[in-house]
Amino acid sequence: DAKTTQPPSMDCAEGRAANLPCNHSTISGNEYVYWYRQIHSQGPQYIIHGLKNNETNEMASLIITEDRKSSTLILPHATLRDTAVYYCIVRPSRNDYKLSFGAGTTVTVRA
Amino acid sequence: DAGVTQSPTHLIKTRGQQVTLRCSPKSGHDTVSWYQQALGQGPQFIFQYYEEEERQRGNFPDRFSGHQFPNYSSELNVNALLLGDSALYLCASSLEQVAGVTETQYFGPGTRLLVL
Repeated sequence: DAKTTQPPSMDCAEGRAANLPCNHSTISGNEYVYWYRQIHSQGPQYIIHGLKNNETNEMASLIITEDRKSSTLILPHATLRDTAVYYCIVRPSRNDYKLSFGAGTTVTVRA
Repeated sequence: DAGVTQSPTHLIKTRGQQVTLRCSPKSGHDTVSWYQQALGQGPQFIFQYYEEEERQRGNFPDRFSGHQFPNYSSELNVNALLLGDSALYLCASSLEQVAGVTETQYFGPGTRLLVL
């Protein structure tokens, strides 16, 4: 049972920032927000995760609202290779080892 | 640094047959999870193996079973195949650093199973 809500699809222009929203209004204090993406017919690729604070790595930035009920994944300079399905997943920090994937957001980067 | 590897990449079976899929975890990882992804859907958790034991299972029938070996590699077995078992089967590995704490999972490329 997915605990997140994401738009089914979005487009963005190559070279521009892509901002992917995710609502997780029922998140509890010990649950992390994880982002994965899946390029067509490949295995999901881990992007980033966070608990409360904003996080950044070489792939993306994760902005979590202060009430933790929503977050945004930012791809700073989208390329055609970023076209994929992006999954936002809420996951307990302990003793529940599964990842529960929803339908995700299909992101299409256009030249 | 070798990532998660899976074999075979593709497989065709007929209804009623049995199949075994294999997974080698990322170097240094000790935990393996299996997922099933039907066409057009997100991956669904089958089970996770740690210390050669199944420690969590999703909503899958007993026809789905697994094994983890001392070198941390794993097998997924599916008996009495149904047409609905046609899917991409994904393996993910992670490293248990602190007991009970969930860790980031890294996925392999998957095995595409077609049941005719």
